Amino acid sequence: GAVVSQHPSWVICKSGTSVKIECRSLDFQATTMFWYRQFPKQSLMLMATSNEGSKATYEQGVEKDKFLINHASLTLSTLTVTSAHPEDSSFYICSARGDLGLAAHNEQFFGPGTRLTVL
Amino acid sequence: GENVEQHPSTLSVQEGDSAVIKCTYSDSASNYFPWYKQELGKRPQLIIDIRSNVGEKKDQRIAVTLNKTAKHFSLHITETQPEDSAVYFCAAPRRAGSYQLTFGKGTKLSVIP
Repeated sequence: GAVVSQHPSWVICKSGTSVKIECRSLDFQATTMFWYRQFPKQSLMLMATSNEGSKATYEQGVEKDKFLINHASLTLSTLTVTSAHPEDSSFYICSARGDLGLAAHNEQFFGPGTRLTVL
Repeated sequence: GENVEQHPSTLSVQEGDSAVIKCTYSDSASNYFPWYKQELGKRPQLIIDIRSNVGEKKDQRIAVTLNKTAKHFSLHITETQPEDSAVYFCAAPRRAGSYQLTFGKGTKLSVIP
């Protein structure tokens, strides 16, 4: 159980275009979803936290108008990179947590990630 | 907020030997410490976690120890195998009661056959 999917797995786009990434919890209700960005050989950097039905909370330095997050249901969150530029090229990973009992109360289940390349 | 330091950044061991990775944290109220394994281009996967009410947890060849006084926790892998080669990340809650995690910078473990 506790599977998170992410789509697409990779995307190549031209500079100035927008890209939408979907994150889905397949077998549980995700009360909270997290979006991370990971540059090569670096750690996971939290970009934003979203709770279903409310606005996302962005980390310092992350532009909310550039990285639009929508968490419209308990199983789906989307990240839209607007007007993408080459410096936005990175590995974007979502994770989700839900009410899965005390044992998994804090656990985050990660999606497989999306490799974004902006030309 | 929480500050997590992870050492070493790289670790090479011979197959069959043990590997130890250590993390320190700053917030004494932190109560949940997971370890993730990430293979190249793949998602991080939880391999073991520990809560602050216990000092050690073991799952086959993997164990985690927690020293709340010194504010550090360590991952121990015994009888290492080539498939253990990956990047390992420790994490701790951003702040007490938060579900957000702060990750260490990672340790690249290489197990030499």
